[in-house]
Amino acid sequence: AQRVTQPEKLLSVFKGAPVELKCNYSYSGSPELFWYVQYSRQRLQLLLRHISRESIKGFTADLNKGETSFHLKKPFAQEEDSAMYYCALTDSNYQLIWGAGTKLIIKP
Amino acid sequence: DSGVTQTPKHLITATGQRVTLRCSPRSGDLSVYWYQQSLDQGLQFLIQYYNGEERAKGNILERFSAQQFPDLHSELNLSSLELGDSALYFCASSGGGLGEQFFGPGTRLTVL
Repeated sequence: AQRVTQPEKLLSVFKGAPVELKCNYSYSGSPELFWYVQYSRQRLQLLLRHISRESIKGFTADLNKGETSFHLKKPFAQEEDSAMYYCALTDSNYQLIWGAGTKLIIKP
Repeated sequence: DSGVTQTPKHLITATGQRVTLRCSPRSGDLSVYWYQQSLDQGLQFLIQYYNGEERAKGNILERFSAQQFPDLHSELNLSSLELGDSALYFCASSGGGLGEQFFGPGTRLTVL
């Protein structure tokens, strides 16, 4: 079955520390993977997608097909990174399958 | 604003009542998605419409229904409301392809 798993509901790190939000997926085929972010009192928005291989706001995510993972990383966390992060994949019908989300708190 | 819009922003109602949430997609987007976000459940996909037709169904209760009109705006109808229906309801739209969805600001529903 197609599934996206974010094992951590809550992740709390200190400002300046590295951040890694975990995402594992189960999908038979070549998935397209995304990270969405929701800052406090703002709408959900796309952060990055794996096909773009881009770095947004210092975040990167590498698709590891062997481990079926798409972890989101940032070397030095900033307070403005505090938000809810969702990992998602697109199935063959362009439906997004969502993870449960990880709330990231950056402590000063 | 050519982005996704939702009305109303807030809605407070009583148990047993019925409400309608409205969503206007981005200009040109044919797909509309409805989601429910509550504190303990995260983001739950409810239903998708594409160009007026229902395309996919998620965890949508029978008390809930939706439709998409010829002008592509969509409405989510919630009836026989219960306390547990209190949540943020998001609408998103997409033009298809690449899976990117554009979200509206949400409607916060409080059932008292």
